[in-house]
Amino acid sequence: DVKVTQSSRYLVKRTGEKVFLECVQDMDHENMFWYRQDPGLGLRLIYFSYDVKMKEKGDIPEGYSVSREKKERFSLILESASTNQTSMYLCASSLPRGTEETQYFGPGTRLLVL
Amino acid sequence: GEDVEQSLFLSVREGDSSVINCTYTDSSSTYLYWYKQEPGAGLQLLTYIFSNMDMKQDQRLTVLLNKKDKHLSLRIADTQTGDSAIYFCAERESGNTPLVFGKGTRLSVIA
Repeated sequence: DVKVTQSSRYLVKRTGEKVFLECVQDMDHENMFWYRQDPGLGLRLIYFSYDVKMKEKGDIPEGYSVSREKKERFSLILESASTNQTSMYLCASSLPRGTEETQYFGPGTRLLVL
Repeated sequence: GEDVEQSLFLSVREGDSSVINCTYTDSSSTYLYWYKQEPGAGLQLLTYIFSNMDMKQDQRLTVLLNKKDKHLSLRIADTQTGDSAIYFCAERESGNTPLVFGKGTRLSVIA
């Protein structure tokens, strides 16, 4: 079974703090994704990566950065957390293009910024 | 840009069938997916269908694809309280881009 794990289920941070959200997958997937999920807005793609050291902006990259130093790990960084970044953050991984590219999701990190 | 639309809410009685609908705009979509999200959890893949198929059945789940109308539906037979969740439709666009998700349909099952 594919397993995608996220470093924390719940996180509380203060405005202005630097926040790291870690995601690890154990299936040697090339592709990894970060989404945020908010009520009424569904999933919005923040960043994605098709390979180590590669990153692509999604629909809402502002205020976020990412790091992919190893194939299995994709980190989301909030350089200076703000209250409007309070959300549920979901990580996913998938096989590359040319396959059915099913995305497998982690359990999510619920972040509260005070 | 490409878009995936779903109604936000659906309520059914336990034992009835549920039908969740989805429309998409990218005519070159190759795969279409249904994901389920239970409260407080991540998304779990339920099923997917390749665009050259009309129907796919998997136990209580039936996926119907009308490619001409760009309409996808998920039917859950004999709906149970454990089926209460948010259901997301997603499509794989053409080119080198990630999946596009709908906003999700919250299914409530009344006992």
